[in-house]
Amino acid sequence: GQQLNQSPQSMFIQEGEDVSMNCTSSSIFNTWLWYKQDPGEGPVLLIALYKAGELTSNGRLTAQFGITRKDSFLNISASIPSDVGIYFCAGHLSGGSNYKLTFGKGTLLTVNP
Amino acid sequence: DAGVIQSPRHEVTEMGQEVTLRCKPISGHDYLFWYRQTMMRGLELLIYFNNNVPIDDSGMPEDRFSAKMPNASFSTLKIQPSEPRDSAVYFCASSLSGSNQPQHFGDGTRLSIL
Repeated sequence: GQQLNQSPQSMFIQEGEDVSMNCTSSSIFNTWLWYKQDPGEGPVLLIALYKAGELTSNGRLTAQFGITRKDSFLNISASIPSDVGIYFCAGHLSGGSNYKLTFGKGTLLTVNP
Repeated sequence: DAGVIQSPRHEVTEMGQEVTLRCKPISGHDYLFWYRQTMMRGLELLIYFNNNVPIDDSGMPEDRFSAKMPNASFSTLKIQPSEPRDSAVYFCASSLSGSNQPQHFGDGTRLSIL
């Protein structure tokens, strides 16, 4: 099926640093969503993006829906230890079902105190 | 507000046994999704329902897997007979109706088939 290329696969950073991760696809998406998954829990929605070019913030998190509709990035500013987890991008594929999400493989974030 | 509730949280059973996973979606959500998560394949959609009716089951791996939604507040995913390769974390998610609504996930069932 359709794949989202999410990078990097993993990151090791120091507390206080900024983080950036992104997802790209060869196909156009109608939405981009960013989820975070903590160990032993389900993915939790962080940010939802619905329009090309849209830039949305949620506290220290900022995400953008790429102009081409084929990419999105997530930035985390001033990281803290509780930011540790796996971050997933996901989206609804244009021309596909408006209810089926395609997920990236995730970015594992480790924050050293 | 209660989120998506899944049970059991963990299940360990021997191959060949029947396994039943349960899900209660968020009240008022019309869509319910079952996913499987493994290290190798990530999150895979197995099946989803709209108003209790299965819409797309193309992700169900084989006939050993079945899912039902007898009412708006309950769904089951059944594996019979189970095999070691079915070991994974199974997530249920729900969403409101309307185009491109975000999905909200439960905490999953970690399934181990010995």
